[in-house]
Amino acid sequence: GNSVTQMEGPVTLSEEAFLTINCTYTATGYPSLFWYVQYPGEGLQLLLKATKADDKGSNKGFEATYRKETTSFHLEKGSVQVSDSAVYFCALTPNSGGSNYKLTFGKGTLLTVNP
Amino acid sequence: DTEVTQTPKHLVMGMTNKKSLKCEQHMGHRAMYWYKQKAKKPPELMFVYSYEKLSINESVPSRFSPECPNSSLLNLHLHALQPEDSALYLCASSPRGVGELFFGEGSRLTVL
Repeated sequence: GNSVTQMEGPVTLSEEAFLTINCTYTATGYPSLFWYVQYPGEGLQLLLKATKADDKGSNKGFEATYRKETTSFHLEKGSVQVSDSAVYFCALTPNSGGSNYKLTFGKGTLLTVNP
Repeated sequence: DTEVTQTPKHLVMGMTNKKSLKCEQHMGHRAMYWYKQKAKKPPELMFVYSYEKLSINESVPSRFSPECPNSSLLNLHLHALQPEDSALYLCASSPRGVGELFFGEGSRLTVL
């Protein structure tokens, strides 16, 4: 079956530090990959996505590249801010043709950025 | 309008009560979802409606009853819940099933 493994953290960084949150996946075929972010007291928001190998998703200074050879989709940001403190979820959905309604989530990584 | 609106934000109910959670979106999305999220865990899929028809039920106990009155509204009817059902209930929508979900802020449910 499909699965997503991400570093669970918690991760604590100082402002302006470099961020990497690792995510690897297991899936048949070529899944679509996502990073969702959940700020305290809120629902999840889509941060970025990639739908095929070598695609790079980017948003708000965050980037992740779909690596088929290493089955990875690591999240990076060059300089984090206090406002980036949140839980980050890596997720996938299989591209099995037609509609697919099931997202497989990783366990989430809590990021705390200190001033 | 890119919002998914959920009401109420907080709900406390006893095990014999009947209550409902409501969700609304006006993005024209044809797929709507209910997720349950426990503290420090990822969301767990409960139900999916596609074009107003129940498409997926992830073996959810019958004390949870979903309803999709129209393409913009989604309800979750609650009856005879257990304390372990206390959680954040998230509604989401998407343009068909493409993995790109728009989530509401959730309804935090406490069952006493």
